[in-house]
Amino acid sequence: DTGVSQDPRHKITKRGQNVTFRCDPISEHNRLYWYRQTLGQGPEFLTYFQNEAQLEKSRLLSDRFSAERPKGSFSTLEIQRTEQGDSAMYLCAWDRVPGELFFGEGSRLTVL
Amino acid sequence: QKEVEQNSGPLSVPEGAIASLNCTYSDRGSQSFFWYRQYSGKSPELIMFIYSNGDKEDGRFTAQLNKASQYVSLLIRDSQPSDSATYLCVAPPSGSARQLTFGSGTQLTVLP
Repeated sequence: DTGVSQDPRHKITKRGQNVTFRCDPISEHNRLYWYRQTLGQGPEFLTYFQNEAQLEKSRLLSDRFSAERPKGSFSTLEIQRTEQGDSAMYLCAWDRVPGELFFGEGSRLTVL
Repeated sequence: QKEVEQNSGPLSVPEGAIASLNCTYSDRGSQSFFWYRQYSGKSPELIMFIYSNGDKEDGRFTAQLNKASQYVSLLIRDSQPSDSATYLCVAPPSGSARQLTFGSGTQLTVLP
């Protein structure tokens, strides 16, 4: 148990569709992160929240990606107009100190 | 220059041998260093962290840090087939940024 649950675990969609992933911290964690990981690569930072405020966002994140954390509890990551290059594992995590991340099991996206 | 560079893999060692995984980092201000293990199809899990120069031991794992050389390593003694995984090194940047850059990792295979 890493302290976060993610849903869905696996999503298959057609190119051009919108998808949304959800991350639920099991207990209150102030900081919540989204990372993306493709095969053979390490996780790539997308964005992070301190409570409900989105404090950092990767410059690589296109406008098709948006994340929210209303009320500082669960978080959602939406990808609009999906492309095949969006196929990846999307990981949610929290930390205690910088670098000490605890990842959820991830949501695997396959774009056909 | 990448923030973190890991020795290229894949790395294969026989069961019972010592596996040595190496990592160099570019930010001289980095104060802490983390090692993650990632099994195939799973999310990364934190296994070791080190803040001070020298060695830190935890069971069969030893993390070594040399800040002068900007070098951190992970030694796995008495390697077991269950240690077969990808190992990722992370060095959080100095300052307040929470964005972490992971390397692509080193894939370790322990041969029975």
